[in-house]
Amino acid sequence: NAGVTQTPKFQVLKTGQSMTLQCAQDMNHEYMSWYRQDPGMGLRLIHYSVGAGITDQGEVPNGYNVSRSTTEDFPLRLLSAAPSQTSVYFCASSYSILAAYNEQFFGPGTRLTVL
Amino acid sequence: SQQGEEDPQALSIQEGENATMNCSYKTSINNLQWYRQNSGRGLVHLILIRSNEREKHSGRLRVTLDTSKKSSSLLITASRAADTASYFCATGIAGGTSYGKLTFGQGTILTVHP
Repeated sequence: NAGVTQTPKFQVLKTGQSMTLQCAQDMNHEYMSWYRQDPGMGLRLIHYSVGAGITDQGEVPNGYNVSRSTTEDFPLRLLSAAPSQTSVYFCASSYSILAAYNEQFFGPGTRLTVL
Repeated sequence: SQQGEEDPQALSIQEGENATMNCSYKTSINNLQWYRQNSGRGLVHLILIRSNEREKHSGRLRVTLDTSKKSSSLLITASRAADTASYFCATGIAGGTSYGKLTFGQGTILTVHP
């Protein structure tokens, strides 16, 4: 199993550009989520999904869109990048939709810089 | 402020010594989890302790949970240079959304010198 994979590893954008961060898992997990990690802030939940076609907002959803058309994939879209979105983004999955009660599996992260 | 707060923010020890990190939280929890993050990598789950448990072991790791004090500690015994990483606690909270909420602290940076 590859586990949770993310692409790209690094990305530099200009303010106003849009892009999609890819996330895929091959563990047949129902729950998938996106976090951002900023210095001194820990990890903050952006969006999560409890199955194909079902998504919901986390703690910091503004400026991001998600969709889940398959169990395996959960892309994160930045609609119009802003410098405040400079961060490291992690995708995570869990075998149970009750993610707060179970182990999370993390991808390697995407380091995004918005100029 | 964060639900889970780790202490100390940074810890520097010699190989072979024990490392203790603490996590305090504010509200009632269902469980508390500890994760490790090596530099430039994703987080890796270490151990989960449920609110009705007081202590749990996994290899060189020992986790305690005191729900009356709303605190947890992670002890790494006989540390190795490979234990150098950031360690995060995450609290699982029932309620709110039907799926609960997992909240991460800011982490403790552990450096183990060979």
